[in-house]
Amino acid sequence: RKEVEQDPGPFNVPEGATVAFNCTYSNSASQSFFWYRQDCRKEPKLLMSVYSSGNEDGRFTAQLNRASQYISLLIRDSKLSDSATYLCVVNDRRAGNKLTFGGGTRVLVKP
Amino acid sequence: GAGVSQSPSNKVTEKGKDVELRCDPISGHTALYWYRQSLGQGLEFLIYFQGNSAPDKSGLPSDRFSAERTGGSVSTLTIQRTQQEDSAVYLCASSLATSGGQDTQYFGPGTRLTVL
Repeated sequence: RKEVEQDPGPFNVPEGATVAFNCTYSNSASQSFFWYRQDCRKEPKLLMSVYSSGNEDGRFTAQLNRASQYISLLIRDSKLSDSATYLCVVNDRRAGNKLTFGGGTRVLVKP
Repeated sequence: GAGVSQSPSNKVTEKGKDVELRCDPISGHTALYWYRQSLGQGLEFLIYFQGNSAPDKSGLPSDRFSAERTGGSVSTLTIQRTQQEDSAVYLCASSLATSGGQDTQYFGPGTRLTVL
């Protein structure tokens, strides 16, 4: 079983709609959680960190459920520019700062 | 400000040759990481440098892979006797390695390695 699992998608989303997807992680000692965004043939870029109480950044909302070991990302009012692969990332700082990445969820926003 | 830079951006080599990939981290970042991403795959951790500590090499796939970080700044990833399965994008990241809170890693643009 992979340490971090994601639905690869693609999620085909009409422009303006809401899309949400989850990521599950197997290491219960994971302490830090992130969503990164990766455009085609580009490097990953931090979208947002995920905090225990959940957090929002504009149209993006991230939630963490430690009991069930999953995090979620919700995108409201989808824009064409939101089309990308969203990478779920976890870190167990006791094992150093190396990040463990999920395989990514591809989102395609269409007009 | 300047981000993480990597060179070369693309490298095509023949099977069996050695290659060196370079990473310049963000100034002041004490931690440096190497990952690789094969076609259609997620990112795979390779090696991690933190200050003067011994590097975490737990992700290196074989002894053909090695990395150095000189002077706590620039890093070089060396792959000896390259194989076709080494073809991937090699990504470098750096961070402040803050002890508390969320430590953000910033990625370079990567080096796309193709082994013929």
